[in-house]
Amino acid sequence: AQSVTQLGSHVSVSEGALVLLRCNYSSSVPPYLFWYVQYPNQGLQLLLKYTTGATLVKGINGFEAEFKKSETSFHLTKPSAHMSDAAEYFCAVSERVKIIFGKGTRLHILP
Amino acid sequence: EAGVTQSPTHLIKTRGQQATLRCSPISGHTSVYWYQQALGLGLQFLLWYDEGEERNRGNFPPRFSGRQFPNYSSELNVNALELEDSALYLCASSLAEVRQTSYNEQFFGPGTRLTVL
Repeated sequence: AQSVTQLGSHVSVSEGALVLLRCNYSSSVPPYLFWYVQYPNQGLQLLLKYTTGATLVKGINGFEAEFKKSETSFHLTKPSAHMSDAAEYFCAVSERVKIIFGKGTRLHILP
Repeated sequence: EAGVTQSPTHLIKTRGQQATLRCSPISGHTSVYWYQQALGLGLQFLLWYDEGEERNRGNFPPRFSGRQFPNYSSELNVNALELEDSALYLCASSLAEVRQTSYNEQFFGPGTRLTVL
């Protein structure tokens, strides 16, 4: 069965600092991996996705993630945090139909 | 192009009542998915409808049900409401699986917040 583990339910970084949100997954088949962002009182917005091909995936708003099969990880990074990045981030894995979400990491940006 | 829309935005019910939530997919999308986002439980898959049929169901009791209409919009019904049903219910839509490449990109609506008192 597929599962997703996000390390840290809350992460705080200073404005301008590196953002690193960790995600590990388990899947019996080659996974499709996603990062979604949810701003307060809004639905989910797709940040980036990995399906096949290049393991370093670039998304919107300067975010990127690297698929590391040997580590079963798909960590999300951004070189320099901005106040507008404050939101909840969900890592997810899909076997084409159902999407399994992690429990989410709330990112706090400190001025 | 309009995104996924959901109504109502907020819904307040009491225990034992029934709730009906509505979702309109993106034009051209035939698959609709429902998710529950309850406090402390994260996002959990509820139901998947495609071409008017229920295709898959998450680990939820039968009092959670729904349907998809010929225009591909969908309703989620929750009967005999319990306090723990209080959550944000998200709807997502996607193209029909057979017309997609190799993955299932879902586009999410803003959600309906259901509060059960």
